[in-house]
Amino acid sequence: DTGVSQNPRHKITKRGQNVTFRCDPISEHNRLYWYRQTLGQGPEFLTYFQNEAQLEKSRLLSDRFSAERPKGSFSTLEIQRTEQGDSAMYLCASSTGQGNNSPLHFGNGTRLTVT
Amino acid sequence: AQSVTQLGSHVSVSEGALVLLRCNYSSSVPPYLFWYVQYPNQGLQLLLKYTSAATLVKGINGFEAEFKKSETSFHLTKPSAHMSDAAEYFCAVIEEDSSYKLIFGSGTRLLVRP
Repeated sequence: DTGVSQNPRHKITKRGQNVTFRCDPISEHNRLYWYRQTLGQGPEFLTYFQNEAQLEKSRLLSDRFSAERPKGSFSTLEIQRTEQGDSAMYLCASSTGQGNNSPLHFGNGTRLTVT
Repeated sequence: AQSVTQLGSHVSVSEGALVLLRCNYSSSVPPYLFWYVQYPNQGLQLLLKYTSAATLVKGINGFEAEFKKSETSFHLTKPSAHMSDAAEYFCAVIEEDSSYKLIFGSGTRLLVRP
């Protein structure tokens, strides 16, 4: 168990640019999640994959956001035409999906700053 | 819809003192509840989870939480605080119609004074 890995750890970009983040989940985990965390708040659910299928997208995920998990392993989260309001910590998590309460294992996040 | 409320955005205790972090939930069905800890610039680490097997749940690092249905509470405690416990703590509940979506509280930052 090498843990959930996220890259990059930090990203500073100018408003209007596109950014892409990568998440490598724990290898045997078939469930993968993206959350967003702003300063002083708890994480908010963005989207969920079971294997390669994206099964749910939050209304927080505007059309500028797209997530993929092409082979059911790593995932990418892309933000197009970034806005200052996109500045946040983006957290990826994975779980085994066994039962209704399998705990989520989180990565260390990618902190995005939009200037 | 389910939700969790964490009372107190900041809690300060002396080293060696009791830690009590409060969490109240709302749910129309028996909930699955979790406590996570987050250290600066890191992701969240699971402390413990309640799955209806036992009302008193023991977790890592000496933390435990007690599920009280009558009070709709799941408070986190530790008998003796250590400096290394300083972090942000999040209570979370699995959304009612989902087997996977966690709903988090807004967090409580624990400060430990020497």
